[in-house]
Amino acid sequence: KQEVTQIPAALSVPEGENLVLNCSFTDSAIYNLQWFRQDPGKGLTSLLLIQSSQREQTSGRLNASLDKSSGRSTLYIAASQPGDSATYLCAATGTASKLTFGTGTRLQVTL
Amino acid sequence: DTAVSQTPKYLVTQMGNDKSIKCEQNLGHDTMYWYKQDSKKFLKIMFSYNNKELIINETVPNRFSPKSPDKAHLNLHINSLELGDSAVYFCASSQGTQGTYEQYFGPGTRLTVT
Repeated sequence: KQEVTQIPAALSVPEGENLVLNCSFTDSAIYNLQWFRQDPGKGLTSLLLIQSSQREQTSGRLNASLDKSSGRSTLYIAASQPGDSATYLCAATGTASKLTFGTGTRLQVTL
Repeated sequence: DTAVSQTPKYLVTQMGNDKSIKCEQNLGHDTMYWYKQDSKKFLKIMFSYNNKELIINETVPNRFSPKSPDKAHLNLHINSLELGDSAVYFCASSQGTQGTYEQYFGPGTRLTVT
């Protein structure tokens, strides 16, 4: 059974800092790994999807990496802004496109 | 244009009632999902349908019954609502059942059972 864990559970950083969010999964037999953003009371916004054959994906200030063999993914956010404050979720995709979500990292970027 | 939409956005009802949540996607996808986010914000899959056929059915009580009239719609009907059913329910869709496809989520329906 796939289990996904995210560390840290919460993070507060001053504006402008670079930061890394961590995601680990127990079953390396995944099709891809997705990173989502969830704002309070809102739905999920897909940020990046890394296929199992890929090592990383980039979108603007975001860079996600994937190491299947070690069961780890990281989301790197460069030059953080207050608008980046949200909960970040990673999800591993298994058989029949079943997403197993992590526990989330709540990020606060302060002025 | 809304890609995945859900109605209602909020639903407050009493224990024992029966309620439905509707989901529609205009992305042309053939696979749709229901997820539940509990009070601790943990998201877990409930069901998935591909071309109106049930693919994933996690250990969800029989009181929950998904219905897919066509591949653009996946509704969730809940019988005899209980306090523990209070949660946010998210609908999602993807291009297929192969795990390589990205899933797109709706805005969620916050269900409160009193």
